[in-house]
Amino acid sequence: ETGVTQTPRHLVMGMTNKKSLKCEQHLGHNAMYWYKQSAKKPLELMFVYSLEERVENNSVPSRFSPECPNSSHLFLHLHTLQPEDSALYLCASSRDRVETQYFGPGTRLLVL
Amino acid sequence: KNEVEQSPQNLTAQEGEFITINCSYSVGISALHWLQQHPGGGIVSLFMLSSGKKKHGRLIATINIQEKHSSLHITASHPRDSAVYICAVGAGDQFYFGTGTSLTVIP
Repeated sequence: ETGVTQTPRHLVMGMTNKKSLKCEQHLGHNAMYWYKQSAKKPLELMFVYSLEERVENNSVPSRFSPECPNSSHLFLHLHTLQPEDSALYLCASSRDRVETQYFGPGTRLLVL
Repeated sequence: KNEVEQSPQNLTAQEGEFITINCSYSVGISALHWLQQHPGGGIVSLFMLSSGKKKHGRLIATINIQEKHSSLHITASHPRDSAVYICAVGAGDQFYFGTGTSLTVIP
């Protein structure tokens, strides 16, 4: 148990659906991250929030929309996804941007 | 070309063997991380190091800043060590990840 939880653990959605992934940490960390992990590819950093301020990876399509309402919660809102968006989405948190990151278990997403 | 390269990509070992996984990187870093990912996706941070060597149980991580190279060693390997081991480097505000080394330890 790393202290970072993610829900749901598995999600199947159609290309016209809207869904949200949730990440929660009660470690008192100030930075939270969304990563995408596709098969045979390195982890891709999607978004970073530090002290609730977003640092965005500009290559992330607008169909992914993050939200950080407070330092303990991070959401990833999904809409009109494509099949190639099917992947494992991992959330992580750290005390600050240069400290060790603690990962959640991930949400395995399948877009049909 | 990826900023972080790992070798080997896949590794099979007999229980008890000494294992080495290598990581080379091409950017200036503030720290290097070794992560372990078990089947099902959960990732655990094993080490964060910026110089020298760290040891935790049967795991040892070393880094050579001049050569931009790090190694992760596992002594007396065990089937429960089977996982994907990922090297990651922090460079300023960025993190770069290797593609991982898939380790299988056979009883």
